[in-house]
Amino acid sequence: DGGITQSPKYLFRKEGQNVTLSCEQNLNHDAMYWYRQDPGQGLRLIYYSQIVNDFQKGDIAEGYSVSREKKESFPLTVTSAQKNPTAFYLCASKEGNSPGLTEAFFGQGTRLTVV
Amino acid sequence: AQSVTQLGSHVSVSEGALVLLRCNYSSSVPPYLFWYVQYPNQGLQLLLKYTSAATLVKGINGFEAEFKKSETSFHLTKPSAHMSDAAEYFCAVSDNRGGSQGNLIFGKGTKLSVKP
Repeated sequence: DGGITQSPKYLFRKEGQNVTLSCEQNLNHDAMYWYRQDPGQGLRLIYYSQIVNDFQKGDIAEGYSVSREKKESFPLTVTSAQKNPTAFYLCASKEGNSPGLTEAFFGQGTRLTVV
Repeated sequence: AQSVTQLGSHVSVSEGALVLLRCNYSSSVPPYLFWYVQYPNQGLQLLLKYTSAATLVKGINGFEAEFKKSETSFHLTKPSAHMSDAAEYFCAVSDNRGGSQGNLIFGKGTKLSVKP
């Protein structure tokens, strides 16, 4: 079945450490996204990529980094510069043609906790 | 700038009662609008979308939404609530700005509780 796989589902990080969240899709979608979800704040866009080897900052990119070396993969690194990284992280993808018209497909999320 | 406002962070209904979740949007161009549902500790699932065809859009699980341009609204309704409808619901608008076309802008969400 086609879909988006995020791993791990739960992740614990010590303060000062970088950590990488995985996102893989087999939907052949061009566009991929990372969102952060905090209670009562909805989803906020961290980074997005509309094509391989290109990505753009979203609304809250500080303290995060991404890469897009393959169409299927869009890993997110939460760096030690992110002041408050504890949150639920969601990866999504969309078709590239007429992206405004198409819906985003979401992974199951990764819950990151800083200990 | 485009934005979405969801009125009411929590809505509680009795089983069998009407569900009404409110969403108002702000957009300088005709918008594309979406409703998603999220169950605890899971990703988002599309309920329905409006892309300038029929103004009354039917979705999954008996939900529907009506696009009203004059009221800049896209409220989500379901005639009869079921216990399994308890979840968080997000309204979203597609960003039409050049370079970020297709990015979704989300409301803050409405948590629906269903009482037996």
